[in-house]
Amino acid sequence: KAGVTQTPRYLIKTRGQQVTLSCSPISGHRSVSWYQQTPGQGLQFLFEYFSETQRNKGNFPGRFSGRQFSNSRSEMNVSTLELGDSALYLCASNYEGGNSPLHFGNGTRLTVT
Amino acid sequence: DQQVKQNSPSLSVQEGRISILNCDYTNSMFDYFLWYKKYPAEGPTFLISISSIKDKNEDGRFTVFLNKSAKHLSLHIVPSQPGDSAVYFCAFNFGNEKLTFGTGTRLTIIP
Repeated sequence: KAGVTQTPRYLIKTRGQQVTLSCSPISGHRSVSWYQQTPGQGLQFLFEYFSETQRNKGNFPGRFSGRQFSNSRSEMNVSTLELGDSALYLCASNYEGGNSPLHFGNGTRLTVT
Repeated sequence: DQQVKQNSPSLSVQEGRISILNCDYTNSMFDYFLWYKKYPAEGPTFLISISSIKDKNEDGRFTVFLNKSAKHLSLHIVPSQPGDSAVYFCAFNFGNEKLTFGTGTRLTIIP
């Protein structure tokens, strides 16, 4: 079974631009979560989608948004990029959320210059 | 407000010895506790978990201990192997899909 796939692996953008990251969950998984990892901050929860609906949201500004499609694939968008948005963005999936362990992709490394 | 703390950013252990990684938390609503392991350029992988109704869970070389009164979680790896060198994150949740992660401990196993 293929794992969680994130594209692209690396991205360089300039301040003020916007970016869209993509995530394909493991086949059959319906819950997709997004996390931001920065040095010294660990992984910070962004949001979680299930059946095309956002169920949970972390403490990030409205510039961070996401969506989920009917095939469970998910995208996240960051608008008006700031230098502090430079981070590794990780997507994770599991069957239906709750306590079942998350399966993570390898992430998208975003650098904002 | 940091609800989860991994106070040791790094730890070095001799191969064959026991590695002990620690995590402290403040939110008493957490009821499910997990450990993830992360290699460079890869996403975290699930290692072991424990629910709040237990105080110990074992899986091969890995044992997780939960001390609810002290709000303390630990991971024991014995014997430690070179392939265990990675960053380890503790993670917590309370019945929803939002995991709260620690900042990670970089474990280095010395051959």
